[in-house]
Amino acid sequence: GENVEQHPSTLSVQEGDSAVIKCTYSDSASNYFPWYKQELGKRPQLIIDIRSNVGEKKDQRIAVTLNKTAKHFSLHITETQPEDSAVYFCAARSGGYQKVTFGTGTKLQVIP
Amino acid sequence: DADVTQTPRNRITKTGKRIMLECSQTKGHDRMYWYRQDPGLGLRLIYYSFDVKDINKGEISDGYSVSRQAQAKFSLSLESAIPNQTALYFCATSDSPAGGINEQFFGPGTRLTVL
Repeated sequence: GENVEQHPSTLSVQEGDSAVIKCTYSDSASNYFPWYKQELGKRPQLIIDIRSNVGEKKDQRIAVTLNKTAKHFSLHITETQPEDSAVYFCAARSGGYQKVTFGTGTKLQVIP
Repeated sequence: DADVTQTPRNRITKTGKRIMLECSQTKGHDRMYWYRQDPGLGLRLIYYSFDVKDINKGEISDGYSVSRQAQAKFSLSLESAIPNQTALYFCATSDSPAGGINEQFFGPGTRLTVL
């Protein structure tokens, strides 16, 4: 089955700096890569996603890049703000079984 | 607003007890999922169902069972709870992928403690 690895597990940045979270996946048939944000005590919510036929997608201060050859994808947050502090999960959907496998999460702390 | 709800929100039980966690949704989605969340381990899939007659094991199904009573309801049971099943449990729903997109909508979570 699919295996998704996520790094780093924790990340601290100064407010205004950029943050990058990286994930790798194992199943070359995976075709959809969502990112979820989970604030403390809340449920995970989708913040951005990318399909395998796209190399990069941006939405305001967040962007995701995908390298299918290397089987890795990354989340980039620019001009970080304290409200960006949360746990972020990457995920990959296997084309065959259509189920999503999550990474282990990155706890991002933005220091004011 | 259409939503995903879970009951109970918190539960403390003893080793060996049977417990059921319930999930309901008003989103009209066909697909439903049960995950558990443990610190450092992320979200791990327990069971998933793509329609009322479809039940599939996830990566950590041992010790759990599920029932899809209707399109809107998906229950998770622990037949004989053990302490290492102490975790935060999430139900999620999604529609069939449209244009390759497959957003999952999570419930608020159930915090289960097994003593």
